[in-house]
Amino acid sequence: EAQVTQNPRYLITVTGKKLTVTCSQNMNHEYMSWYRQDPGLGLRQIYYSMNVEVTDKGDVPEGYKVSRKEKRNFPLILESPSPNQTSLYFCASLSTGTGGWNQPQHFGDGTRLSIL
Amino acid sequence: TQLLEQSPQFLSIQEGENLTVYCNSSSVFSSLQWYRQEPGEGPVLLVTVVTGGEVKKLKRLTFQFGDARKDSSLHITAAQPGDTGLYLCAGAGNNDMRFGAGTRLTVKP
Repeated sequence: EAQVTQNPRYLITVTGKKLTVTCSQNMNHEYMSWYRQDPGLGLRQIYYSMNVEVTDKGDVPEGYKVSRKEKRNFPLILESPSPNQTSLYFCASLSTGTGGWNQPQHFGDGTRLSIL
Repeated sequence: TQLLEQSPQFLSIQEGENLTVYCNSSSVFSSLQWYRQEPGEGPVLLVTVVTGGEVKKLKRLTFQFGDARKDSSLHITAAQPGDTGLYLCAGAGNNDMRFGAGTRLTVKP
């Protein structure tokens, strides 16, 4: 089954304690992206990756890091989490081949982070 | 400031009613997508519109892309409780896709 898998689904942690949210896709998609979703603000892009070893900042990259060492994985790293990073996070992937941006982004089921 | 403005933000209607939600921008997009998101899940694509003026139908849902490719609308005929969810529009740029804040629809039986 084609899917994007995020872990963990839920996490409550404290300010300053480094954490990593993993994201893996099994569709051989080139493009992967991280979003955060906050009430009234919709989905805002944090970082995206066009392919292995290629990453770029989205609209709200401050406080986050990513890496793309393998095509299937795109972890999101919070080196020193703060309460304003409490949010619902989504990873997504997309095939940039035929059809490009007309293809659907496939989303994971989300990770709800609470930073105390 | 949202690149894509969706309206209304919230909509609560009775089963059987019709409704239209809007997605507006000052930017031109190469394509525009509509997604639906249910609680505890990620967004799922409903439709992609590419050509200015394009109309696509998906059962009781009708999607239209504005002539100038800056805006779109989603019309639902005879809404059902199963249509309840968050409807998001997303516009494709050069290397990214920007999302609106969404319209949260509740259809009461």
